[in-house]
Amino acid sequence: KNQVEQSPQSLIILEGKNCTLQCNYTVSPFSNLRWYKQDTGRGPVSLTIMTFSENTKSNGRYTATLDADTKQSSLHITASQLSDSASYICVVSKGGYQKVTFGTGTKLQVIP
Amino acid sequence: KAGVTQTPRYLIKTRGQQVTLSCSPISGHRSVSWYQQTPGQGLQFLFEYFSETQRNKGNFPGRFSGRQFSNSRSEMNVSTLELGDSALYLCASSSTPGLAGVVDTQYFGPGTRLTVL
Repeated sequence: KNQVEQSPQSLIILEGKNCTLQCNYTVSPFSNLRWYKQDTGRGPVSLTIMTFSENTKSNGRYTATLDADTKQSSLHITASQLSDSASYICVVSKGGYQKVTFGTGTKLQVIP
Repeated sequence: KAGVTQTPRYLIKTRGQQVTLSCSPISGHRSVSWYQQTPGQGLQFLFEYFSETQRNKGNFPGRFSGRQFSNSRSEMNVSTLELGDSALYLCASSSTPGLAGVVDTQYFGPGTRLTVL
C-alpha cells in the first residue's frame, strides 16, 4: 500500500532555532515529492518540488533533501520565525495529481 | 496576478441537501484539481479538470461531481450530503495537467469550509 509517513506529528521550537521534519514513503513508482506549508484555515503553499534525480532543493530558509534509495525526505527550517508556525505536508506522486499520496503533516509551533 | 479564489468560504448545510462550490483558477491556468481535507483522513484527491474535461478521479462516491467551464472556472457538486462530508474543500490550479513526467507547481485556494449538520 502506498504510504507517506511524517514525523514528528507535532513540534514546538523556540524562535531562531533550526528544525528538521521527516517524511518516509513507500510510494512506487516515484515521480516527485513536494513539501507544502499550510497555515491554519488556509490552503497549502508549495515550498519545494523534487524529482528522482534531485537530492537537495532550497527555498529561502527552507531546504528539502531527498534520498530516493531509502525513500526518505527531510525539510530543514533554518533560523525559525513565528510565521513558520503551520502544518507541513509531504506529498509523494507516482505521476499525475491523481496518483498522489499525502502525508498527515507535521504541526510546527514556533514560540518567542 | 490574482490567486486562486474559492466561493463561498464557509457553508452550513443539513444532511440530504446538495451543495455547489466554485473555484476560479489563476489567470492562464487551465488545470483545476479538487481536494478534500479532514482531520482524520488528511488531504485526499477528488478530481482534476483540464480544458473542460475530467482527466482523473479519486476514490470518492458518485455523489461528488464537478465540471469546468470554457474560462477554466470549475464547480464541484456534492449531492445527498452526509455528516462525513464536513471538510475543507480545496481547489488548486496549475498551467499544465497532472501528467506523468510533468512537474508543475500547484497553487491552492483558501478553501471552502463545509459543515453538514
